[in-house]
Amino acid sequence: DAKTTQPNSMESNEEEPVHLPCNHSTISGTDYIHWYRQLPSQGPEYVIHGLTSNVNNRMASLAIAEDRKSSTLILHRATLRDAAVYYCILIPSGTYKYIFGTGTRLKVLA
Amino acid sequence: GAVVSQHPSRVICKSGTSVKIECRSLDFQATTMFWYRQFPKKSLMLMATSNEGSKATYEQGVEKDKFLINHASLTLSTLTVTSAHPEDSSFYICSASGQGAEDTQYFGPGTRLTVL
Repeated sequence: DAKTTQPNSMESNEEEPVHLPCNHSTISGTDYIHWYRQLPSQGPEYVIHGLTSNVNNRMASLAIAEDRKSSTLILHRATLRDAAVYYCILIPSGTYKYIFGTGTRLKVLA
Repeated sequence: GAVVSQHPSRVICKSGTSVKIECRSLDFQATTMFWYRQFPKKSLMLMATSNEGSKATYEQGVEKDKFLINHASLTLSTLTVTSAHPEDSSFYICSASGQGAEDTQYFGPGTRLTVL
């Protein structure tokens, strides 16, 4: 199974940008990179996903390295509501299984 | 985005009883639904995958006779925990994908099961 590595925790000040890194050095050519976040006692919430090109949506931006061995989720202006565990997940080629790692717990300081 | 609901949101039951959890896709047809469990401070672990009208596929180590999954329609899947015991207490989360198994999964809010 394709694996991802994320820092256990990060902190950010409110209103400032946050860059959440994810390493996936064993990624295959057709693996999609998905990001989800989970607030306490809730199910994961879809944030964004991409394959090769950078992606933007109303929630965040996804920057994918040229060699695809790493990616970064960018929250442009962190709010207190963005405090959550963020998961970077690779969808293995030809399968559909989401293998959740430990994720990054983001703390947003007022 | 796509909405997935779960019912109940929390349930407390006595040891030895069975509990049914429903998962519904509210605004799309879910060809594939997934069931996960999550222990406190831990990550989600996939339990099983179900396709509408087919038998569920269980992950290694998950007892299919204990965790019965039914996916009778394109909008509803149920997980029944049979003869529940305290060690089955956990947070159960379902997800659904709409356009095939490799499509983005959308997650329900989860069900907190406590077995006394």
